[in-house]
Amino acid sequence: EPEVTQTPSHQVTQMGQEVILRCVPISNHLYFYWYRQILGQKVEFLVSFYNNEISEKSEIFDDQFSVERPDGSNFTLKIRSTKLEDSAMYFCASKETSGGQETQYFGPGTRLLVL
Amino acid sequence: QKEVEQDPGPLSVPEGAIVSLNCTYSNSAFQYFMWYRQYSRKGPELRMYTYSSGNKEDGRFTAQVDKSSKYISLFIRDSQPSDSATYLCAMSPGNQFYFGTGTSLTVIP
Repeated sequence: EPEVTQTPSHQVTQMGQEVILRCVPISNHLYFYWYRQILGQKVEFLVSFYNNEISEKSEIFDDQFSVERPDGSNFTLKIRSTKLEDSAMYFCASKETSGGQETQYFGPGTRLLVL
Repeated sequence: QKEVEQDPGPLSVPEGAIVSLNCTYSNSAFQYFMWYRQYSRKGPELRMYTYSSGNKEDGRFTAQVDKSSKYISLFIRDSQPSDSATYLCAMSPGNQFYFGTGTSLTVIP
């Protein structure tokens, strides 16, 4: 069964460093998303991406965040200068069609720890 | 006002019990309603998906949506220890998902 994959599974970084989180969405999906989940808190939307551009973003997704689809398979989230409060689980998700039909499928997540 | 409210539990039931999980919401634009199951430190796994109001059944699982009351439920019949997980409700007006905090469920053998 197709699935969303994410690398790395764990990332430890120093405050102020740049990190890139990678995702390979399901191959025929067109809509891509990043979410984060701080330990013990709810899953929070960061950004959605369609047709090579951001379609929606939340207040969390400020100038230190960026997303890119550098080729036909990868979808990346870059955090330019990490802060302690960026420590969280980051989930990538993808969806085949518009609307909520064919709903979002989540990857296993990348656990980011900023020291 | 929070978009989605969900009782975090924890909820502990004996094997075979009927489980009822619930969420309320405030945004009348939500049209798509999902229940995800999440194990510790893993990604959410889709369990049930419903569009608009009504019921949907999948084996031992039934999802209900009452848009007039802005209330959704997930019922699990004949609960099994393997059902133990955190259950997240999620809703969407069409793109971005809004999640509840999750309800931790333990089914005791």
